[in-house]
Amino acid sequence: EDQVTQSPEALRLQEGESSSLNCSYTVSGLRGLFWYRQDPGKGPEFLFTLYSAGEEKEKERLKATLTKKESFLHITAPKPEDSATYLCAVQVLMNTGFQKLVFGTGTRLLVSP
Amino acid sequence: GAVVSQHPSRVICKSGTSVKIECRSLDFQATTMFWYRQFPKQSLMLMATSNEGSKATYEQGVEKDKFLINHASLTLSTLTVTSAHPEDSSFYICSARESDRGTNTEAFFGQGTRLTVV
Repeated sequence: EDQVTQSPEALRLQEGESSSLNCSYTVSGLRGLFWYRQDPGKGPEFLFTLYSAGEEKEKERLKATLTKKESFLHITAPKPEDSATYLCAVQVLMNTGFQKLVFGTGTRLLVSP
Repeated sequence: GAVVSQHPSRVICKSGTSVKIECRSLDFQATTMFWYRQFPKQSLMLMATSNEGSKATYEQGVEKDKFLINHASLTLSTLTVTSAHPEDSSFYICSARESDRGTNTEAFFGQGTRLTVV
């Protein structure tokens, strides 16, 4: 069974205090790993897609990396506006031939000024 | 990024009535749309996959007669919660995948619909 586990469940940081979020996965055939940001009461906002081990992508204070078993979302010098829930999802192939996303439970990040 | 519009953002209905939620891709054609359900502080759980012009594929445990999905065009999918009950109260989110960039494309999400059944 395809599984995605995110840690920690919640993380409190001071503004400027860098840290990393973890996403571990076990899937039968990875067809991409996605990171999303979700604010309360909103739909997920796309951040990154990674397809192969060793791949890295950056956007402002965020950097995502991928290995064969896990992905990290590094947050450098976070600001209060980075506070949100960060969701990781793996894309897998369904029996129908279409692909779907399997989500982790997310990491709730709170950055204090 | 591409825009997916979901409507309404909030709805309150009486127990036993039906509610329809719309999901539109505004600036791209979406062959495939997905419907998710999210409980407080939990992750998104896929309910069904909707393909334009064909029947939706439901995940195990999701009642297809209760959650009716219609994907009538490449830009519109609807989810109807029939005979809603308080336990159906949840946050429903749709997403759409662009159909003209092959299989490795990101899925864009709507803003979500908060359904409260009283």
